[in-house]
Amino acid sequence: EAGVTQFPSHSVIEKGQTVTLRCDPISGHDNLYWYRRVMGKEIKFLLHFVKESKQDESGMPNNRFLAERTGGTYSTLKVQPAELEDSGVYFCASSILDTQYFGPGTRLTVL
Amino acid sequence: LAKTTQPISMDSYEGQEVNITCSHNNIATNDYITWYQQFPSQGPRFIIQGYKTKVTNEVASLFIPADRKSSTLSLPRVSLSDTAVYYCLVAFRGPASSYKLIFGSGTRLLVRP
Repeated sequence: EAGVTQFPSHSVIEKGQTVTLRCDPISGHDNLYWYRRVMGKEIKFLLHFVKESKQDESGMPNNRFLAERTGGTYSTLKVQPAELEDSGVYFCASSILDTQYFGPGTRLTVL
Repeated sequence: LAKTTQPISMDSYEGQEVNITCSHNNIATNDYITWYQQFPSQGPRFIIQGYKTKVTNEVASLFIPADRKSSTLSLPRVSLSDTAVYYCLVAFRGPASSYKLIFGSGTRLLVRP
């Protein structure tokens, strides 16, 4: 069974540009989570989808971040416009119940 | 304030048992405590999960006291390949039935030959 996949693995963009990260959860997992770790900090929760609905988006830092999960399958996280402080590793996880399985992450560098 | 606390680092030798504790006051009463292992440039990998008392699987044990204010991950007979960062993940209940998923700061375990 395939695990959680994320694309791209790395992204380097300039300040002010737009970047879209994608997460494909494990098939059949209704719950999908986004997290991020900025340099030197802890892994922080961003938001939680149940199917296509946002269950909790209290961790989203500001309105430059937009997460979608149309159809309840894969999810995208768009950052527009990107700022320097958005650099970090963005992780996606999925679950059926309480056990979350993580993807390898997308390393975002904003120059 | 929801917070988890873990030791920053631990050193051990091959074959020893390692215990890593995570403190988590005000944990949500109905939520599980989960531990993950992470290697450089990889995502967190699930190790074990529990709600109370003791849970054991093929790689680790998890001890949770009755008050659930802490949990201890126990790795029996560690090997060099267990060198990694270990995180606890817990849920904290907030106002209006909200909850926050909080990762611990991570414990960097170094296993020496």
